[in-house]
Amino acid sequence: SQQGEEDPQALSIQEGENATMNCSYKTSINNLQWYRQNSGRGLVHLILIRSNEREKHSGRLRVTLDTSKKSSSLLITASRAADTASYFCATSETSGSRLTFGEGTQLTVNP
Amino acid sequence: SAVISQKPSRDICQRGTSLTIQCQVDSQVTMMFWYRQQPGQSLTLIATANQGSEATYESGFVIDKFPISRPNLTFSTLTVSNMSPEDSSIYLCSVEALTGDSAFFGQGTRLTVV
Repeated sequence: SQQGEEDPQALSIQEGENATMNCSYKTSINNLQWYRQNSGRGLVHLILIRSNEREKHSGRLRVTLDTSKKSSSLLITASRAADTASYFCATSETSGSRLTFGEGTQLTVNP
Repeated sequence: SAVISQKPSRDICQRGTSLTIQCQVDSQVTMMFWYRQQPGQSLTLIATANQGSEATYESGFVIDKFPISRPNLTFSTLTVSNMSPEDSSIYLCSVEALTGDSAFFGQGTRLTVV
């Protein structure tokens, strides 16, 4: 069964706006990762946050992790049409890349 | 980063037949994984492909339906056997990054069973 849930399932915004996606999970984790998938193709790794970290930045991406609430959020600032994709969170219970994925958020950025 | 070549990229198959998907990595990797992504759904891990031994399957997946080979540290195959329309999915190969945390994915094989 899937580890977590993501909300919203779908998000539509205008270019330049910020997009926030949330992820919840059920078990204890070693790390949480966010991936992007364009048009049902392969996944691209975006950012990883470890269980002892609370916030991480990478370019226009900001990830937070709240282990007490078993939740994470991904913020994309100043969105672009090219950010249109599906975004998935994935958790790893131990160090290693056997991942359990959330349900995903379909982001549409309108030009 | 690892470059993963997955073949075929897509296929349309008749029910009852089998399809073998290949995953080639440009460097030696310890861990290789196979995932299934059903239409409009998230990814579900099918199995971990182990070099030199039988694959480790997740709950709900069995070797008879999804036989996996891992003859060396750069190559693996997944076979989808005796296919039915319910097997229509994207199948993705994944390898562990050198850091041991994140993963790299192939471009996926989009399978349609008719």
